Amino acid sequence: QMQLQESGPGLVKPSGTLSLTCTVSSASITTPIWWSWVRQPPGKGLEWVGQVFQGGITNYNPSLKGRGTISMDTSKNHFSLSLTSVTAADTAVYYCARGGDKASFDYWGQGMLVIVSS
Amino acid sequence: DIQMTQSPATLSASIGDRVTITCRASQSIVDWLAWYQQRPGRAPKLLISKASVPQGGVPSRFSGRGSGTEFTLTISSLQPDDFATYYCQQYSGSSPISFGQGTKVEI
Repeated sequence: QMQLQESGPGLVKPSGTLSLTCTVSSASITTPIWWSWVRQPPGKGLEWVGQVFQGGITNYNPSLKGRGTISMDTSKNHFSLSLTSVTAADTAVYYCARGGDKASFDYWGQGMLVIVSS
Repeated sequence: DIQMTQSPATLSASIGDRVTITCRASQSIVDWLAWYQQRPGRAPKLLISKASVPQGGVPSRFSGRGSGTEFTLTISSLQPDDFATYYCQQYSGSSPISFGQGTKVEI
């Protein structure tokens, strides 16, 4: 059974960079399918952050205004999210998931709360 | 960008009720629509993909319909495990992926 697990700092200072990694087990991220990040501010709905495909093709939510970067490390079978210039509005539970364009999100990580605060 | 609008925002129901949640897309997404169930403190769980295809292991009381811009999720007989928040999502590839704002099903 495929599993996804988010990891990274749970506290980031304002104007800093949020960095998270999603480690995939029992499946290879080189499979030709999208891998995505989704976030959920406390008490609010789901927001798609961005996606990465085999070969490093990426797409992002325009609401990030160019602050996001998603990359893959096939040697470690993980993909990562970097979000720069964070503010309190970036405080959320961040989920990684398998899925993206024309592929529903069938596997999800358990989620990781990231708080932006000084 | 494609906007997804769910209704109602909150739905009060009882065990055994038949409930329907509606999701409208701001432009045609054909059938590139998924439904997710989210319980408090948990990751979303995929229920339905391609508007009407149930994910393996999903109880048969959950069904999805629709195409183009209007879609529905129906729970034929509400069970205690079904009290949760439900989200629709478009993943058509013609626009950034987007979710509806969610429908909370409560007692």
